[in-house]
This record gives sequence, C-alpha cells and structure tokens, in this order.
Amino acid sequence: DGGITQSPKYLFRKEGQNVTLSCEQNLNHDAMYWYRQDPGQGLRLIYYSQIVNDFQKGDIAEGYSVSREKKESFPLTVTSAQKNPTAFYLCASSITGEAGANVLTFGAGSRLTVL
Amino acid sequence: RKEVEQDPGPFNVPEGATVAFNCTYSNSASQSFFWYRQDCRKEPKLLMSVYSSGNEDGRFTAQLNRASQYISLLIRDSKLSDSATYLCVVGRFNTNAGKSTFGDGTTLTVKP
Repeated sequence: DGGITQSPKYLFRKEGQNVTLSCEQNLNHDAMYWYRQDPGQGLRLIYYSQIVNDFQKGDIAEGYSVSREKKESFPLTVTSAQKNPTAFYLCASSITGEAGANVLTFGAGSRLTVL
Repeated sequence: RKEVEQDPGPFNVPEGATVAFNCTYSNSASQSFFWYRQDCRKEPKLLMSVYSSGNEDGRFTAQLNRASQYISLLIRDSKLSDSATYLCVVGRFNTNAGKSTFGDGTTLTVKP
C-alpha cells in the first residue's frame, strides 16, 4: 500500500543534541512538508519542498534543517538551536498543481521529547 | 488575530445528536478548504474537501460562505466513533505548492 513512513515514532533527546527524523513516501508525490504540532494547537509549517534538491522555509524554520536528495525522502534535522523542540512532528506529501496541491497525506508522526 | 480560527470546544454531545462546527478565515484570497479529522495522538486524515456549492458525504455536510469567510461542518446522528478533533484547513497556492493553514481544532466527544 502507498503511504508515508516516519521514523522513529518516539525519540528522546538530550539538550544540545541534533536529531534527524526520517520521512519516506511511495506515493510518487512531488511535494513534501514538515509540520510541528504542540498540544492543543494546530499544525505549523516548518519546511516544504516541491521538487528534488529544492526546499523553502515555512513559518517556523528556525532551528531546523532539511534535505531533498531523492523524491521519496525528506528528512528533518532538529538542531540544538531549536529552543523548544519537544513536539509532535508530522511529515506530509501532496501532488503539485492546483487540483490537489492542498490535499495532504500524513505520516503517523514522530514524537520528540527533550530531556 | 489568527489566520484560521475555530471554537476549541470541547463539544460534548449524546449519541444521535446533530452538531455543527464553524471555522473563520481571514485571508480573502484563500482558494481551498478542507476538514481533517485527528484522533488522539494520531496523524490528521482528510475528512472532506469543502466546495463552493457545499457538499455532503453520508452524515457529514460541509458548507463554504465566501462572503462571510467561514466554513462549517455539520455531523448528523453522531456516533461514538465520531469522537475526535476536527481541524479546519485553509489553503492557497504558491507556484504549485500547497500552503495550508491549520486551525487549532475543535474537539468533539460523543457520549452514550
């Protein structure tokens, strides 16, 4: 079945450490996105990518980095510069073009806790 | 003011009740509108797209009012399994990439 796989599902990090969250999709979608969700809040866009080797900052990119070397993969690194990284991280993908660019398919999420 | 605003609830209703949620958006250039459902500690899943003419899917009806800049979701004959958080999502296009703004969600609890 086609879908998005995120790993790890749960991750604990010490302050000052960088961590990388994996996101892989086999939906053949061109666009991929990373969102952050805090308790009781909606999703906020961190980074997005429309095409391989290209990505743009979202609304809260500070302290995060991404790469898009393959169409299927869009890993997110949470760096030590991110002041409050404890959150639920969701990866999503969509087709491009107006017909479906806003219809998002999500992975199951990665829950990061900083100790 | 947030770009997309929802009443957080919680809405506590008995089984069989009809419940409605509203969502207002501030950007009049918004082009696409959706309702997503999110179960506790899970990912959001698309429930319905919202079309200008309104649309219905079984017990669920979505409406768009562009003049007043809000969308609504009506759930008839509520089931226990409808308990979840409902996210309003408003989108626009930026050189083919979807940029979606999420509301904070409305929590629904359906009780026996």
